[in-house]
Amino acid sequence: QKEVEQNSGPLSVPEGAIASLNCTYSDRGSQSFFWYRQYSGKSPELIMSIYSNGDKEDGRFTAQLNKASQYVSLLIRDSQPSDSATYLCASSGSARQLTFGSGTQLTVLP
Amino acid sequence: NAGVTQTPKFRILKIGQSMTLQCTQDMNHNYMYWYRQDPGMGLKLIYYSVGAGITDKGEVPNGYNVSRSTTEDFPLRLELAAPSQTSVYFCASSQSLSALSTDTQYFGPGTRLTVL
Repeated sequence: QKEVEQNSGPLSVPEGAIASLNCTYSDRGSQSFFWYRQYSGKSPELIMSIYSNGDKEDGRFTAQLNKASQYVSLLIRDSQPSDSATYLCASSGSARQLTFGSGTQLTVLP
Repeated sequence: NAGVTQTPKFRILKIGQSMTLQCTQDMNHNYMYWYRQDPGMGLKLIYYSVGAGITDKGEVPNGYNVSRSTTEDFPLRLELAAPSQTSVYFCASSQSLSALSTDTQYFGPGTRLTVL
């Protein structure tokens, strides 16, 4: 069974710090990886997508992918209270289906 | 564009009742999906569709049915509701690109269903 595992959290960081969210996946056929942010009671929204090994930066967010280690991470620099949410990691293979992790709850303390 | 819309937002069902959750997208996306999310958990795929007239089972299809008669609509049918189906249901859609990439899935606002 294809699985995506995330560090259980909850994770608390002070405002302005770097938040590091981690994810591992079991399906070596996975080609694409996504980080979604989900505020309480709301639907998931895409933060980052990454397809190639290495880093991908978008503003305060950096996604990192290591296919050899089957590892994906999301770094949030200069964390803000508005970043407080649950972050969902997802992987996708050739079937174009997303497999989601259970999420990591992040709290940024003012 | 309204994106992906879902109705109703909330619903309470009694055990054994049936209902249809509606999902509509106005982005002309080929792919549509139904997920359920239990408290503190990630999303589990129920059914998906790659185009009008084509549907397939996801990870947790038991107790549900779908149809896709148009590109825009992808209703989810619950027959004989059970307490285990209490969850938040999200519909999503995406465009199809090359086989080497997977497209962003856009989610609707969700339907919160309680079965008592």
